[in-house]
This record gives sequence, C-alpha cells and structure tokens, in this order.
Amino acid sequence: DQQVKQNSPSLSVQEGRISILNCDYTNSMFDYFLWYKKYPAEGPTFLISISSIKDKNEDGRFTVFLNKSAKHLSLHIVPSQPGDSAVYFCAASDSNYQLIWGAGTKLIIKP
Amino acid sequence: DAGVIQSPRHEVTEMGQEVTLRCKPISGHDYLFWYRQTMMRGLELLIYFNNNVPIDDSGMPEDRFSAKMPNASFSTLKIQPSEPRDSAVYFCASSRRGKAFFGQGTRLTVV
Repeated sequence: DQQVKQNSPSLSVQEGRISILNCDYTNSMFDYFLWYKKYPAEGPTFLISISSIKDKNEDGRFTVFLNKSAKHLSLHIVPSQPGDSAVYFCAASDSNYQLIWGAGTKLIIKP
Repeated sequence: DAGVIQSPRHEVTEMGQEVTLRCKPISGHDYLFWYRQTMMRGLELLIYFNNNVPIDDSGMPEDRFSAKMPNASFSTLKIQPSEPRDSAVYFCASSRRGKAFFGQGTRLTVV
C-alpha cells in the first residue's frame, strides 16, 4: 500500500517553461512534506519542504503547494533550466519523523 | 560539517561473501536511515534508528541483512551471505526533526 504516490514516472518540459511535479498521499497524519532532487550516482539532496500548517512555500525558482483536503502537493519550477534535469522524490513524515517516499519522477528539460 | 559519509563508494563481491557497508551520520542528528535503490523498486527504506536504537526494520528484505548502530556516529549494514539480487545502491541518511541528508551511497555489485 503506497502512502505516497508520484504517478508520473517521467516528465519532459521545454527550457524556460514551468515544470509541475505532482505527489499524492493517503495518510492524514502526515504533517511535513519534502521534495528531494537526485542526480545519477549521487544521493538525494533536499530541495524544499512545507509544513501542514501552510499551503505554499517558495524558495527562488521552486514553489511547493499543499492541498490538504485533496491530500495533494506539487512542486513548481519556474523557469525550468537544463540543470533541473534529475529525478525528483516527494516524501512525507508524521510526528515520528520517519520519511515515506514516492517512487520519483524523472524530469527532463529540453533545450 | 562533512555531511553523511558512507564507505566504501563501490563494492564488488562474489556471491556468498559477507559485505559490510558503513555510515557516519551528521553530528547531532538523532535519526539514521538505511535505504536501497534499485531500478525495479526505487528508493526503499530498509531500517531506521532513533538515538541508536532500531525503530523499524520491517523493510529489511531477509535475515541475511542486519544493521547496527553501536554509537551516535557510526552505523553498519551487513549482508551475509550476499546474493546477486542484492546488487543496488545503498544510501545512508541522517536527520534531526524531519529533514534528512543523504550520503553519496555505496554501489554494491554481487557477482
């Protein structure tokens, strides 16, 4: 039973356009959500997070939106750059701080 | 801080041999996680520790896998005996209050 789902295995976006990566979760006890970025042969690196008391968090080109009623979060990257090509993982945690991971979405930025 | 340090970066071993992967978490972090990444299954949580105590090892695939954390600055993941299907990249991560930081991973190849 997947508690965190990233339904798109891959996404291709033109350079300069907006990239939108989606994530759905089932456990209403999750109160903290994170996005990680992973390049080949490297460990995932933290990108941005959001607490359940907020519905939006912005950091430069990256914005995460949280819709608690729909149990859905999304990561927006504007504008997309070639260096953004990577696998993006969504993760959620509850008060126990254990991270539950989505399967990842491979983002490809086309020049 | 040097981040999470894993060793070795690459390990090639013969089937049936014992393999030990090592991890040094970030100082001050109270959670330590061991993950495995494969093409088929993505990023899987194997086991995690809180304050050096194993909390959840339900992700450990078989009794051939064991993990220890003798102190706050060191953890090992051992596979004995190793099998070709154990070939994967193994990541260690540490965290304090939710945000996890990953090591570079150990690429294990069992031939």
